[in-house]
Amino acid sequence: AQRVTQPEKLLSVFKGAPVELKCNYSYSGSPELFWYVQYSRQRLQLLLRHISRESIKGFTADLNKGETSFHLKKPFAQEEDSAMYYCALSLYNFNKFYFGSGTKLNVKP
Amino acid sequence: NAGVTQTPKFQVLKTGQSMTLQCAQDMNHEYMSWYRQDPGMGLRLIHYSVGAGITDQGEVPNGYNVSRSTTEDFPLRLLSAAPSQTSVYFCASNSGTGAGGELFFGEGSRLTVL
Repeated sequence: AQRVTQPEKLLSVFKGAPVELKCNYSYSGSPELFWYVQYSRQRLQLLLRHISRESIKGFTADLNKGETSFHLKKPFAQEEDSAMYYCALSLYNFNKFYFGSGTKLNVKP
Repeated sequence: NAGVTQTPKFQVLKTGQSMTLQCAQDMNHEYMSWYRQDPGMGLRLIHYSVGAGITDQGEVPNGYNVSRSTTEDFPLRLLSAAPSQTSVYFCASNSGTGAGGELFFGEGSRLTVL
């Protein structure tokens, strides 16, 4: 079975502080990993995906197959980063996605 | 470009009633799916479709039916609503491997079953 675990329900940091949202997965094959974000009163949207190795809005995420993790990091949090973040795993053909329970990030001024 | 459109946005049902949540996309995506979002449980896959005429079950399919008669539409039917189906429902579509698998979501439908 595929499982995605986000251990933190809520993460509060001050503006300018580093932030790391944890994501661990369990899957026997080679997964595709994503981070999705839901800002207040907006749709869920893709933040970044590991296959693109991109940095979006200052966020990066590295796939660590040894630790089966895909933690999301940003060196200096901004107030506009406050949102709900979901880690997601997909099978190779992208027809099924499995989401973690989400982490609410609150960036305080 | 409307993207993924869900209706209704809000609905209140009584136990035992049936209803259909509508979902339409105008991006010619092959894949469509329905998720429910519950506090502390994230998004869970209900049903998905890889093309017109093809559907399959996700993690939590019980109590729900789907069909995919066209590429654009993927309605979700609640046959006999139960309070446990109180949730926020999201429809999503994606084009599969060609675009790296990005999911495009609707705005969500908040359903309350009394």
